[in-house]
Amino acid sequence: GAGVSQSPRYKVTKRGQDVALRCDPISGHVSLYWYRQALGQGPEFLTYFNYEAQQDKSGLPNDRFSAERPEGSISTLTIQRTEQRDSAMYRCASSSKDRELFFGEGSRLTVL
Amino acid sequence: AQSVTQLGSHVSVSEGALVLLRCNYSSSVPPYLFWYVQYPNQGLQLLLKYTTGATLVKGINGFEAEFKKSETSFHLTKPSAHMSDAAEYFCAVSEWGSNYKLTFGKGTLLTVNP
Repeated sequence: GAGVSQSPRYKVTKRGQDVALRCDPISGHVSLYWYRQALGQGPEFLTYFNYEAQQDKSGLPNDRFSAERPEGSISTLTIQRTEQRDSAMYRCASSSKDRELFFGEGSRLTVL
Repeated sequence: AQSVTQLGSHVSVSEGALVLLRCNYSSSVPPYLFWYVQYPNQGLQLLLKYTTGATLVKGINGFEAEFKKSETSFHLTKPSAHMSDAAEYFCAVSEWGSNYKLTFGKGTLLTVNP
């Protein structure tokens, strides 16, 4: 596609529910990244893929968070048993290998 | 561990005035340094980056930044502000050789007054 596409753009859920956030990268981009941005903060690194391989997941805050990219294109970030502290903007980015990151518009998650 | 400090969460300038957004970083290894801009309801967009070589880096929209190792700074400047420059600006650092695992500052919101 023309840019990185994320869905849903807005998600409101109740505490304890699972949520899945989707990222469709720029066509042909090898690398895909997830960042999280809390209100008033800069984005924080969560995880990174090259093709379908998860290369670095050191930023995932706990085992409720997981990500996959099974066919090396679309990626899903899943948060299980959501908590209020998970409320944030979740940003996906993609790039050609070792090149500039292109960010999507983000998915804003609100946990009530 | 790396960190980024952006002085001033909000900077206001008049149209045509100098823009100066401050960024200081800490890194135990030679860093890569970045400035990103975020317009309302849009994704982050790379303005410019420093990896190696010339310490004065020119970016898009007339912005530039200078890497000063002795001051651990990477301040962003533009000689003359335009209304369209109003946005939030983020400074980021990554380890040398990596451009993906970025550590961002908290951002500076730039407003431009007519």
